[in-house]
Amino acid sequence: ILNVEQSPQSLHVQEGDSTNFTCSFPSSNFYALHWYRWETAKSPEALFVMTLNGDEKKKGRISATLNTKEGYSYLYIKGSQPEDSATYLCAFYPGGTSYGKLTFGQGTILTVHP
Amino acid sequence: ETGVTQSPTHLIKTRGQQVTLRCSSQSGHNTVSWYQQALGQGPQFIFQYYREEENGRGNFPPRFSGLQFPNYSSELNVNALELDDSALYLCASSRELAGGAGTQYFGPGTRLTVL
Repeated sequence: ILNVEQSPQSLHVQEGDSTNFTCSFPSSNFYALHWYRWETAKSPEALFVMTLNGDEKKKGRISATLNTKEGYSYLYIKGSQPEDSATYLCAFYPGGTSYGKLTFGQGTILTVHP
Repeated sequence: ETGVTQSPTHLIKTRGQQVTLRCSSQSGHNTVSWYQQALGQGPQFIFQYYREEENGRGNFPPRFSGLQFPNYSSELNVNALELDDSALYLCASSRELAGGAGTQYFGPGTRLTVL
């Protein structure tokens, strides 16, 4: 059973604060790590797919880093805005015969207060 | 490109009944995966379909079954519903056989309540 852990479970920040959260995953047999943003009553939205150790991806004020050797990824949000309020999910894919089976963490719920 | 759609949005069933959930994949996508999200947890992989064949299954019993049609729309069927089947069911489509580096595009989900 693959264990994907996200921390913290929830986070409250003020508008303008920068924040980051963590996704931990098995460091053996790594293939890809996905980040999704999920706003209430909407579909999960793909943010990044990361495959290489040391990968850094950026999309606007959101960026992510990947360390496959130690099994973690960080998601950073610079200058948080109320519209960044959402659940952020990471999902691990080990490759081999896993056939697209993403193993998700439980998510980090971010609330940005005006 | 149209997005992934799911129907119905919500439904309520009683224990022992059967249910069919539907998913329309994003245009051009030939792979669909289904996930179950119970309260307080991340989505859990049920199975994946590629070109109308089941192509991988998570830890779910056989009463969870699926179909994928030539137009790449799909169904999730659950027989003999149990209370623990109450959850949000998500489908996700992708452009090719979803190896792990392929982005999966999710629908908004169907909320199933079993009484």
